[in-house]
Amino acid sequence: ELKVEQNPLFLSMQEGKNYTIYCNYSTTSDRLYWYRQDPGKSLESLFVLLSNGAVKQEGRLMASLDTKARLSTLHITAAVHDLSATYFCAPGEYSNYQLIWGAGTKLIIKP
Amino acid sequence: NAGVTQTPKFRVLKTGQSMTLLCAQDMNHEYMYWYRQDPGMGLRLIHYSVGEGTTAKGEVPDGYNVSRLKKQNFLLGLESAAPSQTSVYFCASRTGGGIDTQYFGPGTRLTVL
Repeated sequence: ELKVEQNPLFLSMQEGKNYTIYCNYSTTSDRLYWYRQDPGKSLESLFVLLSNGAVKQEGRLMASLDTKARLSTLHITAAVHDLSATYFCAPGEYSNYQLIWGAGTKLIIKP
Repeated sequence: NAGVTQTPKFRVLKTGQSMTLLCAQDMNHEYMYWYRQDPGMGLRLIHYSVGEGTTAKGEVPDGYNVSRLKKQNFLLGLESAAPSQTSVYFCASRTGGGIDTQYFGPGTRLTVL
């Protein structure tokens, strides 16, 4: 059974700082997604990582995948207030039709 | 192109009442999903469908039923609502090929008193 652990679950940081969110999962997975959710809103896809060593970047966010360690990271560079949101990772095996979701990391960036 | 839409956006039920949540997608996606989201617990899969006329149970199916009579619609039913079903419900769809991202609807906030 695929299980997912995100940490930290809550992160408060100052603008301009760097930080990393970690996503560990328990069994093999053929892909991993990162999503963003603003308060009271739906989920928006950020990245999909399909292979070992994959790295994707969009603005101040960079996601990477290490399938051997079963670990994905979401790195925030020089954080700005607009990045405040909850971030979810979701590894999955689409041969089994499902994604398994982490509990989410609530990120608050203070001006 | 509206993407994934959900009806209604908000609903308050009394214990024992029934209701149906409607999800519609206009992207011709094969796969559709119903999730519930509770504080601090991420998303939990209720039921899903891999094509018109098919449904399957997810992680937390008890107390819910679903139907996919048309490819573009996925209905979630609560036959006898319980306070434990108070949650935000999200519908999602995906193509089944390529990068295969799940696209989410805006959500339905359900309160059962």
